Amino acid sequence: EAGVTQFPSHSVIEKGQTVTLRCDPISGHDNLYWYRRVMGKEIKFLLHFVKESKQDESGMPNNRFLAERTGGTYSTLKVQPAELEDSGVYFCASSQGGRELFFGSGTQLSVL
Amino acid sequence: AQRVTQPEKLLSVFKGAPVELKCNYSYSGSPELFWYVQYSRQRLQLLLRHISRESIKGFTADLNKGETSFHLKKPFAQEEDSAMYYCALRGPGPSYDKVIFGPGTSLSVIP
Repeated sequence: EAGVTQFPSHSVIEKGQTVTLRCDPISGHDNLYWYRRVMGKEIKFLLHFVKESKQDESGMPNNRFLAERTGGTYSTLKVQPAELEDSGVYFCASSQGGRELFFGSGTQLSVL
Repeated sequence: AQRVTQPEKLLSVFKGAPVELKCNYSYSGSPELFWYVQYSRQRLQLLLRHISRESIKGFTADLNKGETSFHLKKPFAQEEDSAMYYCALRGPGPSYDKVIFGPGTSLSVIP
């Protein structure tokens, strides 16, 4: 069984540019989550999809962040325009039936 | 508001010594508690969950509702236990499956 995959693994962009992160959850998992870890600190919740619907996006920092989940399959997280404080590791996780979360390897985003 | 705290950012113990990683939570209800672990160069993964009441890799954790704690314990630490440990909770409410994490504790087992 393929795990959760994230693309790219690393992204280096300049302030003001746009970056799109992608997450492919485990097939059949209705729940998809985005998290962010900044400067080695705690893993902050960003948002939660159930299939294609946003169940909870209370953790999204501001309107520069836009998440979508096409047809309840893969998800994208776009940051536009990127700011320095957006740097960090963005994790995606999926689950089915409220059981354990399966995490991707993360995307290391560096905004210069 | 729901919150998870882990008071120790770093914890170092000698091999063979007991280890306890502390976790406290605040939640107006009955959340489900977890411990997740990230070993070097590996993905974050589930270590154990309180409802299963099992021991994984020698680790156990007991939910204490009175003290709102879910401390992780192991009687004899091994070098391979060195990793980043996160306490997490999931609780009922509008977003039942929302899982939030504590700040994490980096455990280093000294040979």
